[in-house]
Amino acid sequence: GIQVEQSPPDLILQEGANSTLRCNFSDSVNNLQWFHQNPWGQLINLFYIPSGTKQNGRLSATTVATERYSLLYISSSQTTDSGVYFCAVAGGYQKVTFGIGTKLQVIP
Amino acid sequence: GAGVSQSPSNKVTEKGKDVELRCDPISGHTALYWYRQSLGQGLEFLIYFQGNSAPDKSGLPSDRFSAERTGGSVSTLTIQRTQQEDSAVYLCASSSPQTPSTDTQYFGPGTRLTVL
Repeated sequence: GIQVEQSPPDLILQEGANSTLRCNFSDSVNNLQWFHQNPWGQLINLFYIPSGTKQNGRLSATTVATERYSLLYISSSQTTDSGVYFCAVAGGYQKVTFGIGTKLQVIP
Repeated sequence: GAGVSQSPSNKVTEKGKDVELRCDPISGHTALYWYRQSLGQGLEFLIYFQGNSAPDKSGLPSDRFSAERTGGSVSTLTIQRTQQEDSAVYLCASSSPQTPSTDTQYFGPGTRLTVL
């Protein structure tokens, strides 16, 4: 199956700082999603982005499918951004595979 | 409904007992997924339904685990003879793709299972 690697595993930011999270995957995909799991465990879909660039407020994501990576940008971070960010991918009829996540803590 | 719902939200059981976890997907979503997340770990895929059929059961960890979906809607995940290592949060997601790898999954709040 597809292997997914996320980096960094842990990240601590001062409120207002910017950050970039990375997701590398081992094979061609036609589905890539970024999720945020808040401290209460709820998973929220951020982007469906198998290729290209999308923006939603302070968040944006870019996937370069030919080079098998995706980046999630968080600008002007807020304490409510804290939690774990997961990248999930799938190709063809394969099951969706999640990375182990990046744990983000934004401190005031 | 407006989102994916799961019940119960918490379940504490004794080792060896059977448990049933329920998932109500978003209305009209044909695909339904079960995952589990152990403490501090990522998400582990269990099973995927397209309609009432399960083309991919590869993630079920043992024959104590089974799942069904009726009427293309509600799904039940059953764990027989629970073991302590079954303790985890069990998450359900639904989407409306034509294949399992396209479109966006929407997650329920999860069921936290604790096996004593």
